[in-house]
Parts: sequence; C-alpha cells; structure tokens
Amino acid sequence: GENVEQHPSTLSVQEGDSAVIKCTYSDSASNYFPWYKQELGKRPQLIIDIRSNVGEKKDQRIAVTLNKTAKHFSLHITETQPEDSAVYFCAALGGTYKYIFGTGTRLKVLA
Amino acid sequence: GAGVSQSPSNKVTEKGKDVELRCDPISGHTALYWYRQSLGQGLEFLIYFQGNSAPDKSGLPSDRFSAERTGGSVSTLTIQRTQQEDSAVYLCASSFPPTYEQYFGPGTRLTVT
Repeated sequence: GENVEQHPSTLSVQEGDSAVIKCTYSDSASNYFPWYKQELGKRPQLIIDIRSNVGEKKDQRIAVTLNKTAKHFSLHITETQPEDSAVYFCAALGGTYKYIFGTGTRLKVLA
Repeated sequence: GAGVSQSPSNKVTEKGKDVELRCDPISGHTALYWYRQSLGQGLEFLIYFQGNSAPDKSGLPSDRFSAERTGGSVSTLTIQRTQQEDSAVYLCASSFPPTYEQYFGPGTRLTVT
C-alpha cells in the first residue's frame, strides 16, 4: 500500500545551524507534498508545500525540494531558532486524494 | 474567516459507551478528513469525504467506527462500544481541491477509562 518514510525521527541542532528532514514516498501518482509543524498540544500547521511540477520552493528560512524520479522530498530549515523546535510531518497526496503522513521528526534547536 | 472547529475539545467516557465527535469544516471546503493521533505518534488516516460521500473508508480501525457528513458540511465520527485503545486525539481537517491545502481543527482529546 501507500507509504511515506521520514528520517530522522529526532534531530538536535545548535541555534543558527541548518536542519534537513527527508521523506520518501511510494505512490507514483502523488502530486502534492505538504510539510506540517506541530508544537506540543497544538494542531498541525502547514508551513510549506510543493507540487509535482516544481523542483524547489523557498519561503524565507524554509525550503522544500522534490525529486520525482527518486520519489523523495526534503525540508530544509536554515538559521534555526529555538522557536523552530517542534515535531515536523511530511505528507504525500496520492491519486485517491488520500494523505499519507510520515511518522514525524522531533526537532530540537539548542540555544 | 473561521477555521475548522471541533467539539467537544475533551471527552472522557467509560469503556463500552458510544461517543460522537463533531467537525465543522471551513465554509466552502468540499474535502474533509478525519485522523487519529495517539500520544507522541504520527497522524493515522481514518476516513476522507468529498462532499457527502466517502470514497475511502480504508482507515477505519474496526466496524465500531463510523462517520457521516451531511449537507457537504458538518461531519460526525462515531465510536461505538469504546475501548481503552481508542484513547487518542481525533483531528479533523478540510481542504478545497484543487489547491489541496489542508487546514486542521484543534482536535478532540478522547479518554476511555
């Protein structure tokens, strides 16, 4: 069945360093790939997304890259700040309009 | 405008009782999703509605779970004969194809004692 693998499960970085989270999907019909940030006790919030006709998208300190051939996409956060600490989820929307989520990455930014 | 709302925010119930969870999507959003998130875990897909129909019910864990959507708006997730393993946060999200941007509600925290 459809699957999204996400790595790493936990990531600790020093404030100001970059963080990279990677996801691999299995459904070749997937065409939309959002990333969500979830703070403790809060709902997931969309932070950036990319569609299959684009290879890279950037929004200030956050960027996402997509390699459709390899079926993987990555989240890049530069100049990390303590408020970036949260759990990040990737997701892939397949041809059946069903979102498949990765298992999450707990990011800790150390001051 | 108003976001996705869910009620109740918290529900404590005894094992074996039935519960109903409600989701009010963003007005005009035709797609509605239910997810379950256990403590410290990821999001488990339960069911998806496009309008009032549910083309994909594959995520419902058992026949104790059911969901409906009326008028292309409000949705109710019903869990019958609740079990302790049903304890989790139930999240609802809505979107408007073809943009697909999904907006989450605050969730209902269900505790089965």
